[in-house]
Formats: sequence, C-alpha cells, structure tokens
Amino acid sequence: DSGVTQTPKHLITATGQRVTLRCSPRSGDLSVYWYQQSLDQGLQFLIQYYNGEERAKGNILERFSAQQFPDLHSELNLSSLELGDSALYFCASSELGTSGIYSYNEQFFGPGTRLTVL
Amino acid sequence: GNSVTQMEGPVTLSEEAFLTINCTYTATGYPSLFWYVQYPGEGLQLLLKATKADDKGSNKGFEATYRKETTSFHLEKGSVQVSDSAVYFCALIDLTDSWGKLQFGAGTQVVVTP
Repeated sequence: DSGVTQTPKHLITATGQRVTLRCSPRSGDLSVYWYQQSLDQGLQFLIQYYNGEERAKGNILERFSAQQFPDLHSELNLSSLELGDSALYFCASSELGTSGIYSYNEQFFGPGTRLTVL
Repeated sequence: GNSVTQMEGPVTLSEEAFLTINCTYTATGYPSLFWYVQYPGEGLQLLLKATKADDKGSNKGFEATYRKETTSFHLEKGSVQVSDSAVYFCALIDLTDSWGKLQFGAGTQVVVTP
C-alpha cells in the first residue's frame, strides 16, 4: 500500500458526460501528479500540482482540468467525454515538487481509477 | 524531445529462467532512469533507479546499469519466480526539467510459468 488513495476504483459513463476523479496523497506529500494509461498512448503524464498550484503540464486535453485543494487532495475533471478517454488514470504523490541532479523525489502511485466511456 | 523505448511483450519464461528487458532512451538533458513494476490490479511501484551514468540500481534480485555510451538501462534478473509476473516500465526524469515528471516506455508484460 503506497498510502495514495484514489476514488472511485471504477467508473462507467457515456459519451458527452463529465466525471471527477479524486486523489488523496500520502500524508505530508505536497505534490500530486496525474497520469493516464491507455492502450494506444501508453502511460502519459497529464499535470502536476504542488501545494495547491499548477507546476507542470503534459499532454492534457483542454476538456480536462485539475485542481489541488488546501487539504492537498486533488481532483481531475474530465468533460465532454469521448470513447478514446477510456483509460486507467493514476495519481502519484511526492514530498517535494522537484528532483535535482543529486536527489530523486520519489513518486508514490495510487491504485488508479479505471474509466470506461460507452 | 525525450523518449523511452523498451522491448515489446509479452515475455514468457519458466520459473528460474534469466530475464532481460531491454530499454533505451533519448534525452536532451541529464536524465535519471527508473524501472517501475505494475502487478495486476495495482498501481506502479518503483523497482530500482539510477541517477547518473554507470550507476547500478538493484532491488529484489533485479539489476539495471545506466549506460550513457549506449543510452541503455536494461533490466535483468538471474532467476525469476512466478510472483515476478507483472508489467515492467522503464522511465526517465530529465533533471533539466526540475519539476520531475516521469516519462515512461510502453511497458513490457512478463509472464512466469511454474
């Protein structure tokens, strides 16, 4: 158990709908990362928050947004869903927001939310 | 840009066989390299890491050496067990990108049979 929790575990919805995925980081971790794992795109970084502020963006669609709240939990909002959005969405957390040449800020992954869009 | 390429699976082995999963990378900055493992129904776990050239990462009998000259980070284990069945991801962080997002390879599924 990594200490990172994600809810719900599974989500089934229809095209055009909007869903919210929730992530609670490990106690004390300030940084949250979101990743998408799909069959065609593999595992891709979406977005990172550090202590409530957006720090880095990857291949995140405009239909997707995220935020990190004062209690440090994070939500990923997916709207106008398409069939191609079906994927496993992972959240990861780390203590700090950065890694340096002489240190690695390990990311701990949650179990993921499996989204199925029908 | 940065990228990670790893061998396609599935790789099917008998218990106690030798495992190698090839991983090569391209990076414009100073990458640190990682192997993550994903067991069925679970999230990713860090298996091992190497932060600079010639470093060897090791954990649970797995090893990988950061080879800058060949831009490779191949994963090896001398004697696999059924419990090693999982998907293995090679990944990098470009340390010139200080926010530390991971870039993953496509993953290699390993199936170990008794």
